[in-house]
Amino acid sequence: AQSVTQLGSHVSVSEGALVLLRCNYSSSVPPYLFWYVQYPNQGLQLLLKYTSAATLVKGINGFEAEFKKSETSFHLTKPSAHMSDAAEYFCAVSGNFGNEKLTFGTGTRLTIIP
Amino acid sequence: NAGVTQTPKFQVLKTGQSMTLQCAQDMNHNSMYWYRQDPGMGLRLIYYSASEGTTDKGEVPNGYNVSRLNKREFSLRLESAAPSQTSVYFCASISQNTGELFFGEGSRLTVL
Repeated sequence: AQSVTQLGSHVSVSEGALVLLRCNYSSSVPPYLFWYVQYPNQGLQLLLKYTSAATLVKGINGFEAEFKKSETSFHLTKPSAHMSDAAEYFCAVSGNFGNEKLTFGTGTRLTIIP
Repeated sequence: NAGVTQTPKFQVLKTGQSMTLQCAQDMNHNSMYWYRQDPGMGLRLIYYSASEGTTDKGEVPNGYNVSRLNKREFSLRLESAAPSQTSVYFCASISQNTGELFFGEGSRLTVL
């Protein structure tokens, strides 16, 4: 079984500041890990994914995440926040690839302060 | 490329009424999913279909039924709607090559 915990349901950062959204996972098998973003009144879009090829994963819009097995973490970062980054972010885990159900975290709403 | 299309986008029901949410994908994906999204609870899986002709329960299946009509279409039915089913429902399909979930735009359902 897999699960994810997202620490902080709401995060606020100033425009230009570092964005750090936390995700810890639990998995009985080597995990596949994902970050999705949801803009208001839209479905979710894939930001980036970890599939064991490289521990530092780069995604769209300047986001990246690092897989740390020893810490069971997959935190999402962006060096400099932009107003357009305001959205809700979901971490997800799967034990399989391509035909397995993903388990989502409860989400972190990111607010950017001008 | 339409991706995942779900209808209707909005629906208001009275307690006890029934309705079906429709979903279709044009990406030739094998697996399809229905999630519900509630504030503070993230996305919870209702039902999924790993391939045409198969369906399985997810985390919160009570009060719902599904049909995988063909490879493209996966519908979700509420037989007797309850206020606890007020939610935003998302259909999704998964790429067997990239592992990426593709989502529809959501259906906002209110049960009075």
